[in-house]
Amino acid sequence: AQSVAQPEDQVNVAEGNPLTVKCTYSVSGNPYLFWYVQYPNRGLQFLLKYITGDNLVKGSYGFEAEFNKSQTSFHLKKPSALVSDSALYFCAVRALNAGNNRKLIWGLGTSLAVNP
Amino acid sequence: DAMVIQNPRYQVTQFGKPVTLSCSQTLNHNVMYWYQQKSSQAPKLLFHYYDKDFNNEADTPDNFQSRRPNTSFCFLDIRSPGLGDAAMYLCATGTGGISANEQFFGPGTRLTVL
Repeated sequence: AQSVAQPEDQVNVAEGNPLTVKCTYSVSGNPYLFWYVQYPNRGLQFLLKYITGDNLVKGSYGFEAEFNKSQTSFHLKKPSALVSDSALYFCAVRALNAGNNRKLIWGLGTSLAVNP
Repeated sequence: DAMVIQNPRYQVTQFGKPVTLSCSQTLNHNVMYWYQQKSSQAPKLLFHYYDKDFNNEADTPDNFQSRRPNTSFCFLDIRSPGLGDAAMYLCATGTGGISANEQFFGPGTRLTVL
């Protein structure tokens, strides 16, 4: 079965420090992986994706993610956290079943708190 | 700017009173999705349209219906809202097909059921 895991419900980091939000996946075949961010009472905003190519993907707002096939991980990173990065982060993988490739399988989300 | 628009942003209804939520898009995407999201949980897919082809999720209650009169618009109808249907409802669009990639979300409609 295809799945996505975000092992941490919450991550706390001091402003200016590097941050990492973890994501692991389980799919058959090559995964299409995504990160989204959700601010309070807002919709989800696309941050970045991995489809193929370079394992280090750069996205919006200074975020990047590293695809690691051997560890089946796609961790979200940022070199220097801002208080405004405090939000809910979701990792997702595209379902690869025939007829289901329009759907995303979502992680449970990680709440990031950046402290001043 | 191309975008996904949801109206209203906040909707209050009474227990059992039908309600319709609206979504429109200027992206000209083939696929439109409706998600339900409760209190910081992962979004739960209710159904989606691929062009005019309706795809319901197996666990979506019959109380939830959808209409897509044209490419740009999609509606979510809740026939008899219960207290448990209070949630954020998110509309999203995507390109579908072999190159199906990211989904683009609207700002959401927060539904309160009294």
